[in-house]
Amino acid sequence: ELKVEQNPLFLSMQEGKNYTIYCNYSTTSDRLYWYRQDPGKSLESLFVLLSNGAVKQEGRLMASLDTKARLSTLHITAAVHDLSATYFCAPGISSDKLIFGTGTRLQVFP
Amino acid sequence: ETGVTQTPRHLVMGMTNKKSLKCEQHLGHNAMYWYKQSAKKPLELMFVYNFKEQTENNSVPSRFSPECPNSSHLFLHLHTLQPEDSALYLCASSQAGTGPVRTEAFFGQGTRLTVV
Repeated sequence: ELKVEQNPLFLSMQEGKNYTIYCNYSTTSDRLYWYRQDPGKSLESLFVLLSNGAVKQEGRLMASLDTKARLSTLHITAAVHDLSATYFCAPGISSDKLIFGTGTRLQVFP
Repeated sequence: ETGVTQTPRHLVMGMTNKKSLKCEQHLGHNAMYWYKQSAKKPLELMFVYNFKEQTENNSVPSRFSPECPNSSHLFLHLHTLQPEDSALYLCASSQAGTGPVRTEAFFGQGTRLTVV
């Protein structure tokens, strides 16, 4: 059974600080997706990582993928309040199957 | 309309009722999904349809019955639900396949279901 674990589950951080969210998964996958979910809202795609060593950046967020280690990271640089949300990772384990991680709830305070 | 549209947005139903959730995608995708999101289990994959064929049923109780009449529409028929079935039900679509044609999943706004 595929397991997708995110660490930490909850993250409270001060504005301006840096932090990394980790996503570990238990089976082979050739790609990985990161999503954001605001309270009461749906999921929004953030990053699509398509190969080993892939790195993508958007604003204060940077995602990377190590398929050999079955690990992806989402790095937050100089956090701002607008980044407060829940972040999910999802390895694409087959052409039509997306299993999501446990989610990391991020709260950024002044 | 564009993207993935779900109706209704909110639904309250009794345990003896029968209701249906509807999902429509305008993205030309070939795969559609139902997910359940609750406090206990953040995002559970329920069903996957690929070219209208069900390719995944993740041990979902029979009181949930999916229907995919074409690649643009997906329904979730509900009957004799339990209070623990109260959750946010999310529909998604993607272009399934291999290589560059494959896309991430795009989600609808969800249906907030309350079973009383």
